[in-house]
Amino acid sequence: AQRVTQPEKLLSVFKGAPVELKCNYSYSGSPELFWYVQYSRQRLQLLLRHISRESIKGFTADLNKGETSFHLKKPFAQEEDSAMYYCALKGGGKLIFGQGTELSVKP
Amino acid sequence: SAVISQKPSRDICQRGTSLTIQCQVDSQVTMMFWYRQQPGQSLTLIATANQGSEATYESGFVIDKFPISRPNLTFSTLTVSNMSPEDSSIYLCSATYGTQYFGPGTRLLVL
Repeated sequence: AQRVTQPEKLLSVFKGAPVELKCNYSYSGSPELFWYVQYSRQRLQLLLRHISRESIKGFTADLNKGETSFHLKKPFAQEEDSAMYYCALKGGGKLIFGQGTELSVKP
Repeated sequence: SAVISQKPSRDICQRGTSLTIQCQVDSQVTMMFWYRQQPGQSLTLIATANQGSEATYESGFVIDKFPISRPNLTFSTLTVSNMSPEDSSIYLCSATYGTQYFGPGTRLLVL
């Protein structure tokens, strides 16, 4: 079965601290993984995808097939990073979302 | 990229009535999707709507309750039928155009 797990519902850090939002997945084939972000009062938008191996807004995520993880990291959190973050897996043409992690960056 | 708009943005409805949500994409797309986001929950896929074929529903969702139309490559509607308070949710339209884009959502409250 396809499943995405984000174990933390809320993550609170201080500005300048490192951030890691955890994501684990279950999928029998070759997964395509994404991180989506939803800022307050804005629509859901793509942050990054594992196949492009890019860094967006200082965030990176590495796919670890051995640990079936796709954790999102940023070395120095900023207040504007406060948002809901969703890890998602694409399988069979469908996007399946994790429960989401609310990131709160305090000044 | 693709820009997706939805109408209405929000509505308050009485139980037993139906509401049709419209989704417009500014580019022609093959696959469109409808999601539900219940309060405090993540996004749950309701169905996939491809132009020219019947929508494909996920487990737990049925056509009688959530009929979907997909008349062309830029438009789709989702109807929430015979509503109850449990249908209070945000309904999101999504489309794939290279990557998957989302509409702003329709916030529905059923009294």
